[in-house]
This record gives sequence, C-alpha cells and structure tokens, in this order.
Amino acid sequence: ELKVEQNPLFLSMQEGKNYTIYCNYSTTSDRLYWYRQDPGKSLESLFVLLSNGAVKQEGRLMASLDTKARLSTLHITAAVHDLSATYFCAVDGSYGGATNKLIFGTGTLLAVQP
Amino acid sequence: DGGITQSPKYLFRKEGQNVTLSCEQNLNHDAMYWYRQDPGQGLRLIYYSQIVNDFQKGDIAEGYSVSREKKESFPLTVTSAQKNPTAFYLCASSIGAGGGETQYFGPGTRLLVL
Repeated sequence: ELKVEQNPLFLSMQEGKNYTIYCNYSTTSDRLYWYRQDPGKSLESLFVLLSNGAVKQEGRLMASLDTKARLSTLHITAAVHDLSATYFCAVDGSYGGATNKLIFGTGTLLAVQP
Repeated sequence: DGGITQSPKYLFRKEGQNVTLSCEQNLNHDAMYWYRQDPGQGLRLIYYSQIVNDFQKGDIAEGYSVSREKKESFPLTVTSAQKNPTAFYLCASSIGAGGGETQYFGPGTRLLVL
C-alpha cells in the first residue's frame, strides 16, 4: 500500500528566509504532484513531476523529484507572506498503470511571518 | 470560462437522509474524481470515473454512490450508511486517466450533519 508522508507538518518562517518541504513515498512511482490550498478553499495545481530528476520552478517555488530515493522536495526561496498556505504532495499510485489515482500527503501548513 | 462547479457550497444532512452533491465540468475532460478531506488531513479518493457510464471505487467508497451518465457530470450521493459524513468534498477532473494528467479541482462542498 502506497503511503505518502510530508514533513514538516507545520512550518513557521520569516519573510526572506529559505526552506524546504519534503515528501516521501513508500512504493515505486514516477508521477508526483504539488498542490496549494488556501484556508477554506480548493486545491490549486503547482507542479507536475513525471520523471526522475525532474525539476520545475515557478516564482519563489521549486520542486524536484528523485524517484530512486522516493523523495520530492518543494523549496521556498525568500519567502513572502503570500506564500502562506497548506501545501500537499500527491503521488500517482498506479505505477505502470493507467488510472491516475492519487494518494495525498497530510499537507504542510506554511505560515510566513513578516 | 472553463472550469469545475460544485453545488451546493454548504449542505446539511439529517440522520438517515441521503444527500447528493453536484459536480459539473465544461473542460471536456474524460476523467472525474471525488475526494473527501477531513480537517487537518490530506484528500482521500472516494470514487473515480475514467469515461462515461463507468466508475470505480476509490479507497473509501463505503457509504457513497456515484453515477456518470454524462461526460460533464459526476454527482456523488452520501447515503445513510456513511456514519461520519461531515467533511469537505472536492470534485476533480483530468483530460484523461492515463497517468501524468493534472487533476483540476472544483471549489468544494462542505457537508455537515445536523
């Protein structure tokens, strides 16, 4: 059974600082997604990582995937208050298959303090 | 504008009552999904449909039912057999279900038990 773990679960950081959120998963997969959720809102797609070594960047966020280590990271550079949200990683549990079934991590609540 | 709509935004259920949550998309996506989110947790897959007139159970299907009679619609019924239905319900869709397809989420429905 595929399990997805994120850490930390809660992250309080100051504006201007850098930090990394980690997403570990337990079985083979080469498809990983990062989403953002604002309080009381739906999920917004941030990144789709579809191969080992994939790296994607958008603004102050950069995501990478290491399928051999079963690890994805979401790196935040020079945080700003607008990045405060909950970040989820999700792994496609149908490795080699065709169902696009996602298993979500528990999320990382990011609070950026001025 | 293309997107996913869910209604109602809030729904109250009485004991023993079945309720139906609506999900409509005009993105011409083949695949649709229903997730449940409990406070402070990630999303869990209830049901998914890869094509019209076909659907499969996800990880927590007990107490729920769905139909997919039209490509753009994927309603979820929460039956009286679901003993703990209070949660945030999110519908999503993707172009296909072949893996590697980004899932786009609707705004969600909050279900509360009276």
